[in-house]
Amino acid sequence: QVQLVQSGAEVKKPGASVKVSCKASGNTFTSDYMHWVRQAPGQGLEWMGIINPSTGSTNYAQKLQGRVTMTREKSTSTVYMELSSLRSEDTAVYFCARAPFKARLDCWGQGTLVTVSS
Amino acid sequence: QSALTQPASVSGSPGQSITISCTGTSNDVGGYDYVSWYHQHPGKAPKLLIYDVSSRPSGVSNRFSGSKSGNTASLTISGLQAEDEADYHCSSYTSSSTFVFGTGTKVTVL
Repeated sequence: QVQLVQSGAEVKKPGASVKVSCKASGNTFTSDYMHWVRQAPGQGLEWMGIINPSTGSTNYAQKLQGRVTMTREKSTSTVYMELSSLRSEDTAVYFCARAPFKARLDCWGQGTLVTVSS
Repeated sequence: QSALTQPASVSGSPGQSITISCTGTSNDVGGYDYVSWYHQHPGKAPKLLIYDVSSRPSGVSNRFSGSKSGNTASLTISGLQAEDEADYHCSSYTSSSTFVFGTGTKVTVL
């Protein structure tokens, strides 16, 4: 059974960068897509982007283009999401979610709270 | 890419059926059969209920069903139970090869 374990909460100052990790257990790391989704306090879900862990290819939400980078490390079955030039509006819980088929997010990480505050 | 439109809240009594709508455009909901539905209890991660418009993952109750007509997808919960009280989110693949979520709906069991 696949499990996704994310890194711990972060507090960052405006303008800084944050890198969140998501480690997958199970043997399907390179056969599943991985999405990143965030949720600002009291708000809905916002899709951030997707990475194919097998090839490393990515596709990002237009709104975040230029600020977000998703990478993977096959040896540790870990994907990373780095967001730069942080502003207060980036304060949110960030989730990774695996998708054995691109549109089917069937297993989610526990979420990582990122707080951006001066 | 604008968020898909969902009603802010829907309520029903135990045992009743409710339907949540998810309206997009021909570039997302109307153009692809890749609509998914998730529910999310407070402080928890979302959980997949429906994928590919109307398919249910194993382990999800058959009280949850999905459908689509034109640019609007719908999730129906039949036999409403107290545990169904949660936030519900729809999602769709888009013509830009990206994904978009809905605005979210809070379901209240009266």
